[in-house]
Amino acid sequence: DTEVTQTPKHLVMGMTNKKSLKCEQHMGHRAMYWYKQKAKKPPELMFVYSYEKLSINESVPSRFSPECPNSSLLNLHLHALQPEDSALYLCASSQDVPGNSNQPQHFGDGTRLSIL
Amino acid sequence: TQLLEQSPQFLSIQEGENLTVYCNSSSVFSSLQWYRQEPGEGPVLLVTVVTGGEVKKLKRLTFQFGDARKDSSLHITAAQPGDTGLYLCAAVYNFNKFYFGSGTKLNVKP
Repeated sequence: DTEVTQTPKHLVMGMTNKKSLKCEQHMGHRAMYWYKQKAKKPPELMFVYSYEKLSINESVPSRFSPECPNSSLLNLHLHALQPEDSALYLCASSQDVPGNSNQPQHFGDGTRLSIL
Repeated sequence: TQLLEQSPQFLSIQEGENLTVYCNSSSVFSSLQWYRQEPGEGPVLLVTVVTGGEVKKLKRLTFQFGDARKDSSLHITAAQPGDTGLYLCAAVYNFNKFYFGSGTKLNVKP
């Protein structure tokens, strides 16, 4: 079982819907991440939160809106998504931001998102 | 252009065979990590290599970091069906950004 919990596991939504993906960790990690993974491709970094503040946005379209309510929770709010946004969305956490340290990232099992 | 290029992209072998996966870059990294991702799950860390020339072993898996810290390899001895998955090398760049390699999809047939 992973120590990073993501809900829901699967989500099907229309292009006009608003939904949210949730991620939770209780390891005391201060850095949390959202990744997008298309089939047969590696995960691509979307957002990084460090100490509950957004530190990196990899030029992600505004239809994806991250939120970090506290150090254990990370949300990804979705609105007006496009069919090409269908993918596996992975959440991860680490003790601190990578920097020059060798901290591993702990991943959840992802939310499989399908946009109709 | 991929920061980290892995080869081969796909590998399908019989149980008991040996294999090597490569991760190459033109950049120098302070450390490099290897992950394995199984279908329906997130990536799981296998190892972190830090020192140039370092070799680490994890049961039948042997990881090596290049002397110049630009490349790494993963060698699996006597592969088993349980080794099937997507193997990803990963490194930190621009201080805070964690970047995955292009991935190697391994299928070990019984």
